[in-house]
Amino acid sequence: AQSVTQPDIHITVSEGASLELRCNYSYGATPYLFWYVQSPGQGLQLLLKYFSGDTLVQGIKGFEAEFKRSQSSFNLRKPSVHWSDAAEYFCAVGGNTDKLIFGTGTRLQVFP
Amino acid sequence: EPEVTQTPSHQVTQMGQEVILRCVPISNHLYFYWYRQILGQKVEFLVSFYNNEISEKSEIFDDQFSVERPDGSNFTLKIRSTKLEDSAMYFCASSQRQTGGQPQHFGDGTRLSIL
Repeated sequence: AQSVTQPDIHITVSEGASLELRCNYSYGATPYLFWYVQSPGQGLQLLLKYFSGDTLVQGIKGFEAEFKRSQSSFNLRKPSVHWSDAAEYFCAVGGNTDKLIFGTGTRLQVFP
Repeated sequence: EPEVTQTPSHQVTQMGQEVILRCVPISNHLYFYWYRQILGQKVEFLVSFYNNEISEKSEIFDDQFSVERPDGSNFTLKIRSTKLEDSAMYFCASSQRQTGGQPQHFGDGTRLSIL
């Protein structure tokens, strides 16, 4: 079955600290992978995407993610978190069909 | 940067009433989608729409739901007879191509509250 798992429901980090949000997927075909961010009361903003090629992809706001096929993972990283990064982060997988399959999200809290 | 716009931002409706949620996708996009997010749960796919017809739908998208592109710019989701469990945030999205080719761009959502 196609699915996305985000094991961490809630993560708290100090401003300036590094961040890694985990994402594991199960998908029968070649996956296309996405990270979206949702600030309170806002929609889903695309942070970055992986379709093919280089397994380390760069996104907006200083985020990057690494696709590891052997581990079925697509973890999101940022070397130094800013207070404005506090939000909910969603990993999603798609393929050659229309729908995106989302994980349950990770809520990031940033302390000064 | 072009964006997907949704109206209204919040809709309160009595159970059993019909509701129409409206979306204006990005102008050069050809694929349109509706998703919903029940409070505290994951974002779930409802339906995709291309070339004036539904291309894929989920089990959630039963006979009480319908979608329409009434003109060249709007994309609507109609819920015919709302139930309490329809309370959720509904997101519209659009893309230039199917997911395999291009990412989906989301609107800010409409919060639907059924009383």
